[in-house]
Amino acid sequence: QPVLTQSSSASASLGSSVKLTCTLSSGHSSYIIAWHQQQPGKAPRYLMKLEGSGSYNKGSGVPDRFSGSSSGADRYLTISNLQSEDEADYYCETWDSNTRVVFGGGTKLTVL
Amino acid sequence: QLQLQESGSGLVKPSQTLSLTCAVSGGSISSGGYSWSWIRQPPGKGLEWIGYIYHSGSTYYNPSLKSRVTISVDRSKNQFSLKLSSVTAADTAVYYCARDPDYWGQGTLVTVSS
Repeated sequence: QPVLTQSSSASASLGSSVKLTCTLSSGHSSYIIAWHQQQPGKAPRYLMKLEGSGSYNKGSGVPDRFSGSSSGADRYLTISNLQSEDEADYYCETWDSNTRVVFGGGTKLTVL
Repeated sequence: QLQLQESGSGLVKPSQTLSLTCAVSGGSISSGGYSWSWIRQPPGKGLEWIGYIYHSGSTYYNPSLKSRVTISVDRSKNQFSLKLSSVTAADTAVYYCARDPDYWGQGTLVTVSS
């Protein structure tokens, strides 16, 4: 079963850009993932589905500032022109060959 | 716009069964190609997948919870349900229903305490 590894925390300044990483375990580098955002005290919100090719499909209403990319086993979420409301926890999700769901541990993003 | 809303008991005694329902509006739960999930989040911790029911009615569960979990669907009411038996304090969490991966409910806090 795949394992998703995320840094526990990240920080960046208001108006800057940040790139969050979700790394797939060995043997699973081609897997599709999804990114979710969870603002404090709220339910998670779907951001996008991201393929190993780097192609991604965003959810309805997700700002253009959010984009995805891939390199090998790494899946990235880039947020440009950081806003205060982007301060949140970000989770990646994938699905194994037995159709089970796996979540990464989440990255807490602080906007300075 | 699809909407999901959890409901059920917010307080469950240890060893009893947790029961939650997720009402789906704005779309049919019988639509092909989707899985309908339950996910939980203990206070201050990350997301844990509990299981899902596929549009065909097939169910898939987290192996760590499989012996205690049942997910079912009521197509006539456009809703699906979660039962988690023999609960302990470790099952205290916010429980979310979702259409994997793109729509989430608002979540409901379930506390296990006597």
